[in-house]
Amino acid sequence: DAKTTQPNSMESNEEEPVHLPCNHSTISGTDYIHWYRQLPSQGPEYVIHGLTSNVNNRMASLAIAEDRKSSTLILHRATLRDAAVYYCILRIGNTGKLIFGQGTTLQVKP
Amino acid sequence: ETGVTQSPTHLIKTRGQQVTLRCSSQSGHNTVSWYQQALGQGPQFIFQYYREEENGRGNFPPRFSGLQFPNYSSELNVNALELDDSALYLCASSLGSGITYNEQFFGPGTRLTVL
Repeated sequence: DAKTTQPNSMESNEEEPVHLPCNHSTISGTDYIHWYRQLPSQGPEYVIHGLTSNVNNRMASLAIAEDRKSSTLILHRATLRDAAVYYCILRIGNTGKLIFGQGTTLQVKP
Repeated sequence: ETGVTQSPTHLIKTRGQQVTLRCSSQSGHNTVSWYQQALGQGPQFIFQYYREEENGRGNFPPRFSGLQFPNYSSELNVNALELDDSALYLCASSLGSGITYNEQFFGPGTRLTVL
């Protein structure tokens, strides 16, 4: 089964960029890379997704390695509200099945 | 626009009982996915319904079953509850299935405790 590997936790200072890494060495050619985040007592919230090319949106950027075996979520300026568990996820082929990793707990210090 | 809602918020059952969890999709969404999230773990995909038909299933036994109604709301049923079924159950809705959708919108979840 496809899976993702992330560090358990990371720390950042407020207003600084954050790079959250993810390994997905078993990814197949049709799997999409998604990132969601989950705040305490809430359901996960979509952040960004991509297939092969780097992607930018209002929340973050997604950098995907050329071989697609790893990716990095970039928060350009962390705020206290960005403290959450960030999940790197594979969406399996042309399905809605999301395979979540264990997630990275991001702490943002003022 | 109303988001995804789930009921009940919390539920306590005993081993062997049956439980039904409910989910109302975001307006206009025709696809519902269910996930189980054990404490400290990432969510695990249970199954997805698209236009009232099951459209993919994860590694869960048949005692986990579901329904999607014509208004696209959904139910998750779990029979013969086991202690390991204690978890947060998340419902997510989206528009379309497979390549036609971009993001899933999650509800706040139902916390099930099995004693």
